Amino acid sequence: EDQVTQSPEALRLQEGESSSLNCSYTVSGLRGLFWYRQDPGKGPEFLFTLYSAGEEKEKERLKATLTKKESFLHITAPKPEDSATYLCAVQYTGFQKLVFGTGTRLLVSP
Amino acid sequence: EAGVTQFPSHSVIEKGQTVTLRCDPISGHDNLYWYRRVMGKEIKFLLHFVKESKQDESGMPNNRFLAERTGGTYSTLKVQPAELEDSGVYFCASSQGVWVIDSPLHFGNGTRLTVT
Repeated sequence: EDQVTQSPEALRLQEGESSSLNCSYTVSGLRGLFWYRQDPGKGPEFLFTLYSAGEEKEKERLKATLTKKESFLHITAPKPEDSATYLCAVQYTGFQKLVFGTGTRLLVSP
Repeated sequence: EAGVTQFPSHSVIEKGQTVTLRCDPISGHDNLYWYRRVMGKEIKFLLHFVKESKQDESGMPNNRFLAERTGGTYSTLKVQPAELEDSGVYFCASSQGVWVIDSPLHFGNGTRLTVT
């Protein structure tokens, strides 16, 4: 069964302390990889789509990268408002559904 | 534009009862998805509608779950009879394009279902 694994499960940072979140996936048949942000009591909010190895996307303090077997979400100089659960999801060729990881809970302290 | 709307936001029912969840997608979005997150687990796909047709219902757990999308607008997900393991958060999402890769999903805030 296709699997998406995210690490760490939880991460606590000080404001301004940069770090990276990891998402690894079953390699064969990747069609696209998605990053979402989820706040408590809300639905996932779309951040990025990555299509192929070597691709990078940026949005404010976030940068997503993709290799042949994993993706990283780099957070540069985070602020408390970046606190949320970050979800990685993969679409495999031939399927419209997304396979989600369990997420990384990020807490940024002032 | 209004986002994806789900109703109710919370529902507490007893085992054996029936519950119906509703989802109103973004206007003009032909693609509608149901996902579910049970406690401690990842969000999992349930099914996908294109307009009023079920495109993929491979994630539906069993025949106690019935999804409909009459007229290709809003959708309902009925659980009958509910079991304890059905507890979780049910998310609805919609997208404009046919291909998820080109048309990211917009999620609602979910319905938290508790079966006691």
